[in-house]
Amino acid sequence: AQSVTQPDIHITVSEGASLELRCNYSYGATPYLFWYVQSPGQGLQLLLKYFSGDTLVQGIKGFEAEFKMSQSSFNLRKPSVHWSDAAEYFCAVGDDTGTASKLTFGTGTRLQVTL
Amino acid sequence: NAGVTQTPKFQVLKTGQSMTLQCAQDMNHEYMSWYRQDPGMGLRLIHYSVGAGITDQGEVPNGYNVSRSTTEDFPLRLLSAAPSQTSVYFCASSYSYSSGGTYEQYFGPGTRLTVT
Repeated sequence: AQSVTQPDIHITVSEGASLELRCNYSYGATPYLFWYVQSPGQGLQLLLKYFSGDTLVQGIKGFEAEFKMSQSSFNLRKPSVHWSDAAEYFCAVGDDTGTASKLTFGTGTRLQVTL
Repeated sequence: NAGVTQTPKFQVLKTGQSMTLQCAQDMNHEYMSWYRQDPGMGLRLIHYSVGAGITDQGEVPNGYNVSRSTTEDFPLRLLSAAPSQTSVYFCASSYSYSSGGTYEQYFGPGTRLTVT
């Protein structure tokens, strides 16, 4: 069964600083990987996704992520954080059947941005 | 398109009561899923459906029932509510691979349920 680990429960960065959120996955084949963001009291919004091809994927709001199969990682990065990026971030891996019906989520990383 | 809609937004139940959380999508997605979100645990899959008439269990199905009579609707039933079911519930939908989908799930705004 697949699993996702987000080792950082809470991260605080200053506005304008760079950001990297870690995600490690366990999966038997080439995974389908996602990053979602959730603002307080809101639903989940997709930031970016990886299915195949280029291992560096670009997403919305200036985010990018790099898939590294050798490290089973899919870390999320942003070169300069804005105060509006404060939210909770979830990494997820697609299910074994190759469809989108089942996602396994990590426990999330809460990002706080200081001014 | 309204996307994925969920009703109600908030609900308080007493232990032992039953209720149905509604979920609808207008994107003609084959796949629909229900997740629950609890602090420190991320989202966990309750039930999912790969098409009308076809449902299956996820990671935490106990105490919940689903059916899928139409492509658009995927209601989640709590048969006898328990305090352990206090959570935020999210419905999601997506295309299937056979439809050329890109595996992206679209989430509804959530239902916050409290069981006392």
